[in-house]
Amino acid sequence: DAGVTQSPTHLIKTRGQQVTLRCSPISGHKSVSWYQQVLGQGPQFIFQYYEKEERGRGNFPDRFSARQFPNYSSELNVNALLLGDSALYLCASSSQGDTGELFFGEGSRLTVL
Amino acid sequence: GQSLEQPSEVTAVEGAIVQINCTYQTSGFYGLSWYQQHDGGAPTFLSYNALDGLEETGRFSSFLSRSDSYGYLLLQELQMKDSASYFCAVLEGGNYQLIWGAGTKLIIKP
Repeated sequence: DAGVTQSPTHLIKTRGQQVTLRCSPISGHKSVSWYQQVLGQGPQFIFQYYEKEERGRGNFPDRFSARQFPNYSSELNVNALLLGDSALYLCASSSQGDTGELFFGEGSRLTVL
Repeated sequence: GQSLEQPSEVTAVEGAIVQINCTYQTSGFYGLSWYQQHDGGAPTFLSYNALDGLEETGRFSSFLSRSDSYGYLLLQELQMKDSASYFCAVLEGGNYQLIWGAGTKLIIKP
């Protein structure tokens, strides 16, 4: 069975641009969460979606948005990119929303120049 | 505020036992998770404790004391492949989010 897949794996953008990151959860998983991980730190929670509804939002500006589609895949959008948005963006899926057991994809590494 | 504290680095010898501690201060505590992350890789789930006590899974065990806001991950019979960063993370029920510590880099020497 396929695990969590994310695309693209690497991308380079310039300040002010917009980026869309994509995630496909494990088959049967209805919850998708997005995390940002800066080098040398633990992941920071951005969003959680369960059954296509936003269940939780972390302390990120409105430039960050996400959605979940009927097939449970998800997109994370970041507008007006800043240098500080350079990070590894991790998508995780789980069978239910309130669980400490998440299955992570390999991430999308974003570099903002 | 919300915070998790764990040592930044631990060094151990192959075949030995190592314990990585985690203390936390959060609201809406549901449980404590542990993840392993190799350099350049994704976090991999190791364990989750919602109740006090010890959970054992193979060479890895995890302990939780809710009254002390404290947990630890115990790794036995260390192997070189265990060299990685280990994160504790608190599941906060109010926002369905995991709040992560900064990670402990485990260095294993032959």
